[in-house]
Amino acid sequence: GDSVTQMEGPVTLSEEAFLTINCTYTATGYPSLFWYVQYPGEGLQLLLKATKADDKGSNKGFEATYRKETTSFHLEKGSVQVSDSAVYFCALSDPAGNTPLVFGKGTRLSVIA
Amino acid sequence: KAGVTQTPRYLIKTRGQQVTLSCSPISGHRSVSWYQQTPGQGLQFLFEYFSETQRNKGNFPGRFSGRQFSNSRSEMNVSTLELGDSALYLCASSRTGTSGSSEQFFGPGTRLTVL
Repeated sequence: GDSVTQMEGPVTLSEEAFLTINCTYTATGYPSLFWYVQYPGEGLQLLLKATKADDKGSNKGFEATYRKETTSFHLEKGSVQVSDSAVYFCALSDPAGNTPLVFGKGTRLSVIA
Repeated sequence: KAGVTQTPRYLIKTRGQQVTLSCSPISGHRSVSWYQQTPGQGLQFLFEYFSETQRNKGNFPGRFSGRQFSNSRSEMNVSTLELGDSALYLCASSRTGTSGSSEQFFGPGTRLTVL
């Protein structure tokens, strides 16, 4: 079945450092790809998405590019802030079928001043 | 507009009891999905309801059930609670459902603790 693999955390960075969180997927067909963020005590919020190969999703300084050749959707940010501390989830959905979102296990990011 | 609301936010039960959690989706959204989030297993899909019909079901025992009302509000029920049911239960709503690129909007969750 479909699956998502994320790099294990926690990830601890200093403010203004560069962030990469790796995400690879296994899916039949051409899934849509998502990054969700969960701040402490809250539910998940959609951060960005991409629906086809080579699409780049971006929001709040975060970016991820849908790479079909490497089945990857890595999340990047050039300069993290303390307020970016959260858990980040990579997810996929199969637009061809009626199947639910498949999530990775999440990566906890802590940014220290 | 108002987001997804879940009640109650926190719940403490004992083994063997049953519990009902409630979710009110964003106005106009017909799909409601439920997820269980635990530190060990991450986010696991429970079920999805669309226009009062269960459209998808995850791999959970029959003790976990749900329903959706005509106003799209949804409830999930867990009977005969076990310690392992302690988790954050998240509800998400969307216009068209879980497949495709339709965005799911999540509520803040209900934190269930089973003693």
